[in-house]
Amino acid sequence: DTGVSQDPRHKITKRGQNVTFRCDPISEHNRLYWYRQTLGQGPEFLTYFQNEAQLEKSRLLSDRFSAERPKGSFSTLEIQRTEQGDSAMYLCASSIGTGYEQYFGPGTRLTVT
Amino acid sequence: GENVEQHPSTLSVQEGDSAVIKCTYSDSASNYFPWYKQELGKGPQLIIDIRSNVGEKKDQRIAVTLNKTAKHFSLHITETQPEDSAVYFCAASRRGGGADGLTFGKGTHLIIQP
Repeated sequence: DTGVSQDPRHKITKRGQNVTFRCDPISEHNRLYWYRQTLGQGPEFLTYFQNEAQLEKSRLLSDRFSAERPKGSFSTLEIQRTEQGDSAMYLCASSIGTGYEQYFGPGTRLTVT
Repeated sequence: GENVEQHPSTLSVQEGDSAVIKCTYSDSASNYFPWYKQELGKGPQLIIDIRSNVGEKKDQRIAVTLNKTAKHFSLHITETQPEDSAVYFCAASRRGGGADGLTFGKGTHLIIQP
């Protein structure tokens, strides 16, 4: 069991650029979650997939954000036209279908300059 | 939606003493309450959790209690060690009730004094 992996670990981008992050869940975990964490705060839920279906979206997920999980395995989170307020740690978590526990990856730290 | 309040924001205890962190939640339909430990530069690590059909759960030096009537739950760490120093987060969700995403508290910075 290799754990949840995220790529890249760090991303610096200029305001207005698009960025895409990838998350690989734990093998056989069919649920995948995205969260955002700003400095000094707890993670905030963004969206969640069961297999390839996106079942829940937070109001935090503005129209500049889109997430996909096309084959029910890895997922991507894209942010279009980045703003300085998008600077944060983007965390991915996965869980097995019948389980409650969510296991987090190391995160992708985004800095928008 | 759910709102989770966590106290204190910072807790400093002597090595070997106990630490208690408390959280309250607002949604009476929440049924799952995990606790996470986060070290600098790392993702949150699940350390213990409790479901709404249980009042208490213990795992070695860590225990969690849940009071559904009062809508609060607490983390207890006994015989604290230097490696317990980290930020701890409580969370709540309505697992299986259309709100599987976790709502987190703002965190408690636990400092273990040698």
